[in-house]
Amino acid sequence: ETGVTQSPTHLIKTRGQQVTLRCSSQSGHNTVSWYQQALGQGPQFIFQYYREEENGRGNFPPRFSGLQFPNYSSELNVNALELDDSALYLCASSFAGYYYNEQFFGPGTRLTVL
Amino acid sequence: DQQVKQNSPSLSVQEGRISILNCDYTNSMFDYFLWYKKYPAEGPTFLISISSIKDKNEDGRFTVFLNKSAKHLSLHIVPSQPGDSAVYFCAASGGTGNQFYFGTGTSLTVIP
Repeated sequence: ETGVTQSPTHLIKTRGQQVTLRCSSQSGHNTVSWYQQALGQGPQFIFQYYREEENGRGNFPPRFSGLQFPNYSSELNVNALELDDSALYLCASSFAGYYYNEQFFGPGTRLTVL
Repeated sequence: DQQVKQNSPSLSVQEGRISILNCDYTNSMFDYFLWYKKYPAEGPTFLISISSIKDKNEDGRFTVFLNKSAKHLSLHIVPSQPGDSAVYFCAASGGTGNQFYFGTGTSLTVIP
């Protein structure tokens, strides 16, 4: 069974640029959630994708957008990067078939915005 | 607005003793709670969960207690081992169940 993988591991961008982060779900999972973890904070929910549609969104501006593909992998896109976007971005997959289900996290992508 | 709070940023415990990590929440709609453990350079790893219909859930050395009236949950680790040294996050969800709210984490150090 393959776990959740994310790429790239680290990324450095400058303010105003755009970035795309990628996530491959754990085998058998059909739901992907993205989180932002700033230094010293807990993960903050960005949004979730289920069946290629956004299925819930946290308090993040529209310049944070995403995609889910038929194979349940996912992308997180951030436009017009700001310094405060520097954080660890975590992807978590789960299987939506029960009332609640645990989310399994990838190792994250460390984004630095200069 | 932090709906899930872990007020102790760090905790040190001797090997073999009990570790107690605490978590408070403010949203009465939360009805499912989880604990995650995180090592450096890794994503959080699911540890144990509890739904609001229970007040206790055990899994080996790990027990989670839920006090709904106090909006408080705790994670007990007995006996603590050096390999338990990590950052522990509690998380909560409610309503639609697709958004988890995380606390800020407690860094546990188990001293050999």
